[in-house]
Amino acid sequence: DAGVIQSPRHEVTEMGQEVTLRCKPISGHNSLFWYRQTMMRGLELLIYFNNNVPIDDSGMPEDRFSAKMPNASFSTLKIQPSEPRDSAVYFCASRRPQETQYFGPGTRLLVL
Amino acid sequence: DAKTTQPTSMDCAEGRAANLPCNHSTISGNEYVYWYRQIHSQGPQYIIHGLKNNETNEMASLIITEDRKSSTLILPHATLRDTAVYYCIVRPNFGNEKLTFGTGTRLTIIP
Repeated sequence: DAGVIQSPRHEVTEMGQEVTLRCKPISGHNSLFWYRQTMMRGLELLIYFNNNVPIDDSGMPEDRFSAKMPNASFSTLKIQPSEPRDSAVYFCASRRPQETQYFGPGTRLLVL
Repeated sequence: DAKTTQPTSMDCAEGRAANLPCNHSTISGNEYVYWYRQIHSQGPQYIIHGLKNNETNEMASLIITEDRKSSTLILPHATLRDTAVYYCIVRPNFGNEKLTFGTGTRLTIIP
């Protein structure tokens, strides 16, 4: 099993640009989670999906952030426009029902 | 989800048992205790979870007190690769999908 796959692993962009982070969950997992980790705020849940449907997006910081899951094997987290305070490591995780979450390696985002 | 309290940091000598405590005095009857760890620059990794009985797997043992208000994660023979931040989380095993990560314990294994 390849595990959760995230791309890109590193992203450097300029303020105001659009950023798209991608995640491929583990095959057979029906829940997908997006987290953000910063030194100041630690690891925070942004949004999660069950069976491709967004269930709870209360952690999404503001309207500049959006997430989609068009099918069971792919999800995106988009930031438009990006700001320097969005700099963080973004993790994707997936799980089967009643099982534990498996995390991807993360995307390190730096917004200049 | 119940709140957890962990020491900020701990050291342990290589080869010794590392005992990481966690207080969860407001835990409710349907909440499990989960442990994750995060090695530098990697995503969090599941270690173990339990409800009220002690649990053991290939990575660690989990000891939960009888009143369930605290627990201890035990790494029986710590290696340098066990240096990481360890998170104790309590949550229902179903229904609530969220894992709420606190600040965790930064465990450093000393050669």
